[in-house]
Amino acid sequence: KAGVTQTPRYLIKTRGQQVTLSCSPISGHRSVSWYQQTPGQGLQFLFEYFSETQRNKGNFPGRFSGRQFSNSRSEMNVSTLELGDSALYLCASSVWESTEAFFGQGTRLTVV
Amino acid sequence: GQQLNQSPQSMFIQEGEDVSMNCTSSSIFNTWLWYKQEPGEGPVLLIALYKAGELTSNGRLTAQFGITRKDSFLNISASIPSDVGIYFCAGRNNNDMRFGAGTRLTVKP
Repeated sequence: KAGVTQTPRYLIKTRGQQVTLSCSPISGHRSVSWYQQTPGQGLQFLFEYFSETQRNKGNFPGRFSGRQFSNSRSEMNVSTLELGDSALYLCASSVWESTEAFFGQGTRLTVV
Repeated sequence: GQQLNQSPQSMFIQEGEDVSMNCTSSSIFNTWLWYKQEPGEGPVLLIALYKAGELTSNGRLTAQFGITRKDSFLNISASIPSDVGIYFCAGRNNNDMRFGAGTRLTVKP
């Protein structure tokens, strides 16, 4: 059974640009959540989607957005990139919202 | 949101020693999860706990879901060099999952 797949693995962008990250959950999983991980802040929750609906949102500015498609794949978008957006972005999938979550390998975003 | 309180922050131990780390919260959780993360990789799920008081083992790892539902601990017995990494606890309620800051484990051969 394939795990959670995140693409791309690495990304370098310049300030002011926008970026879209993709996450394909484990087959049969309907819940996808996104996290930002930085050395200083640890794992910070961005948002969670279940059956194409955003169920919860963390404390991030509106530049961070996401969506989930009917096949449960999810994308997150960051507009007007800032240097502080450099981080490892992790996606996790689960069958339901309250079951164990499995993480992808992450997308390492560097903003220069 | 409020993160969980995980301790210790780091541990330096000798191969063969046992390790214990714990997580506490001011909120109740329905599920407690323990993850291990190695450099450049995503967290890997080690143990999932679903019932208060539950004690679950996975090889040399043992974790417990606190009876108050506000805490959990993870024990690693007879540590080996490949146990090196950062261990995270997570508490989950439906669409809300919070993480501890992690315990960085170093094992000296």
